[in-house]
Amino acid sequence: NAGVTQTPKFRVLKTGQSMTLLCAQDMNHEYMYWYRQDPGMGLRLIHYSVGEGTTAKGEVPDGYNVSRLKKQNFLLGLESAAPSQTSVYFCASSPRRSMNTEAFFGQGTRLTVV
Amino acid sequence: LAKTTQPISMDSYEGQEVNITCSHNNIATNDYITWYQQFPSQGPRFIIQGYKTKVTNEVASLFIPADRKSSTLSLPRVSLSDTAVYYCLVGGHNTDKLIFGTGTRLQVFP
Repeated sequence: NAGVTQTPKFRVLKTGQSMTLLCAQDMNHEYMYWYRQDPGMGLRLIHYSVGEGTTAKGEVPDGYNVSRLKKQNFLLGLESAAPSQTSVYFCASSPRRSMNTEAFFGQGTRLTVV
Repeated sequence: LAKTTQPISMDSYEGQEVNITCSHNNIATNDYITWYQQFPSQGPRFIIQGYKTKVTNEVASLFIPADRKSSTLSLPRVSLSDTAVYYCLVGGHNTDKLIFGTGTRLQVFP
């Protein structure tokens, strides 16, 4: 049982390049989330989705786009990467509204923008 | 979403009981209290969740007083492997967002 899988695990980008991070879950969860975590900081919510075909902004959405075309996948896109987007990105999923249930996290993607 | 306040860091020694308190003065009637644990270079992991009084599982206990304005995560007899960041989250069944604060960094020494 894979749970939540993030691809890739590591990536180095040059300023201005674009990339897409993939999050896949095999638990048939409705809710999915993307976070970033900077050194020594807590997690900050970028975007989230409450179901297939829906997305919403979180705390720090600027510079990112997302898509949820399939229930099991949640994609995070950076159209023009900036050094300020250097961070560790985590994806999570939960079966329903997260505050009264358990959310499951991926292993993270470490992104460096030079 | 209710705002939460927790200590930035705590130190302990192996074998001791550790209690981490979270303040949430603006907790709403339908809000739950949830704690997550995060080890270095890993995603957070659900530890425990409660609504009122006391909840216990194989990892920890959660104590919630009657007014629910605070909660205490209790880790019995900690070991070095309990060194992690612990997050307190408060929210209700009508909350779509899962918002983390800065957490409490627990360091366990031998």
